[in-house]
Amino acid sequence: QSALTQPASVSGSPGQSITISCTGTSSDVGGYNYVSWYQQHPGKAPKLMIYDVSTRPSGDSNRFSGSKSGNTASLTISGLRAEDEADYYCSSYTSYNTRVFGTGTKVTVL
Amino acid sequence: EVQLVESGGGLVKPGGSLRLSCAASGLTFTNYNMNWVRQAPGKGLEWVSSVETSSGYIYYADSVKGRFTISRDNAGNSLFLQMNSLRAEDTAVYYCARDYYGFYAFDIWGQGTMLTVSS
Repeated sequence: QSALTQPASVSGSPGQSITISCTGTSSDVGGYNYVSWYQQHPGKAPKLMIYDVSTRPSGDSNRFSGSKSGNTASLTISGLRAEDEADYYCSSYTSYNTRVFGTGTKVTVL
Repeated sequence: EVQLVESGGGLVKPGGSLRLSCAASGLTFTNYNMNWVRQAPGKGLEWVSSVETSSGYIYYADSVKGRFTISRDNAGNSLFLQMNSLRAEDTAVYYCARDYYGFYAFDIWGQGTMLTVSS
């Protein structure tokens, strides 16, 4: 099972919006609406930001939104803030009853 | 407060074995599917294994299949990972992670325990 493909880095200025892509196959991203997104700050455990493609855990910031088209899912961060600087990972359920993570994207706030 | 606390990491020689534990508190452990996820130094996240609530279904990544065994003790609110035939590429921080109830997403994570495989 190969890792899902994400851009290595994405950057933006405070207040801007950025989008991170996550490309898989019809056996994972394209086959199920079970894509989730995680934020990880250095030395910390990951934090769930989005599940089921576009659902935010209750109480979490509405600046984070998710979508999917075909085999590619996307995470959009609106109104970029300094605290959004972190690594972001997508994950998907697969047809083999396993899970797969993306390669990870480093977000830099300029 | 829901909490997952991993333990058991350390330094092991190639070919050796180790057992990781994850103690859960603040949740009805028996209701949740549980997972192990690892992260090699400076690298991305890698899903390792999942076990369903009653241990009826267990799944492994190809990279660890046949070498690692996941198990759980619902009475003791604990998750385990028995790791055999360890290799240098198994060196990583190992996280215990809970599946968000009814969904395929990891909503609660432990702080991780470090495994180093080196001679």
